[in-house]
Amino acid sequence: QKEVEQNSGPLSVPEGAIASLNCTYSDRGSQSFFWYRQYSGKSPELIMFIYSNGDKEDGRFTAQLNKASQYVSLLIRDSQPSDSATYLCAVRSISSGSARQLTFGSGTQLTVLP
Amino acid sequence: DTAVSQTPKYLVTQMGNDKSIKCEQNLGHDTMYWYKQDSKKFLKIMFSYNNKELIINETVPNRFSPKSPDKAHLNLHINSLELGDSAVYFCASSPKPRDTNYGYTFGSGTRLTVV
Repeated sequence: QKEVEQNSGPLSVPEGAIASLNCTYSDRGSQSFFWYRQYSGKSPELIMFIYSNGDKEDGRFTAQLNKASQYVSLLIRDSQPSDSATYLCAVRSISSGSARQLTFGSGTQLTVLP
Repeated sequence: DTAVSQTPKYLVTQMGNDKSIKCEQNLGHDTMYWYKQDSKKFLKIMFSYNNKELIINETVPNRFSPKSPDKAHLNLHINSLELGDSAVYFCASSPKPRDTNYGYTFGSGTRLTVV
């Protein structure tokens, strides 16, 4: 079983719609959760992080965390063509030892259609 | 000023050659990482150094050797390159390993193509 799983997509939504990206993780000791955006040919860019159950909002982005279900999601409201990218979920857990490195999912490719 | 810079950005080389990738960060972070991203966008940790000390050494062929001369620099040397080494290699940094609420800052990546 992969440690961090995401649907690879592609996920297509029309401009102005809500895009919903999902991520599940296997380690119950996971402490903090990150969403990165990666445009084609570019490096990953941190857009949100969350560590408490519930919702966290930042502009058009909302991260949602449910530790009981081991599930984290990212909602993008009023999607724009410029949001078209691959979205990577990353998890940091205490079981990764003192290093506590991030473990990444394989990403979901999002396309926002004009 | 670029926060995490990698050189070179592109590297095309023949099988069997030895090559190095360099990384420098000016963020004052203590921890640096090398990740490999395959064609399916999967990012896999290779190595991590905290203040010049190796703290993560994943199952990577010993043809790959990291070196950190100081906490602002982390280099990756690859011996006897193979076709399967073709990928994008990302350097990243973070403040401290135990700062769980900090993500990484990534460099721009080095696209390695072995022919």
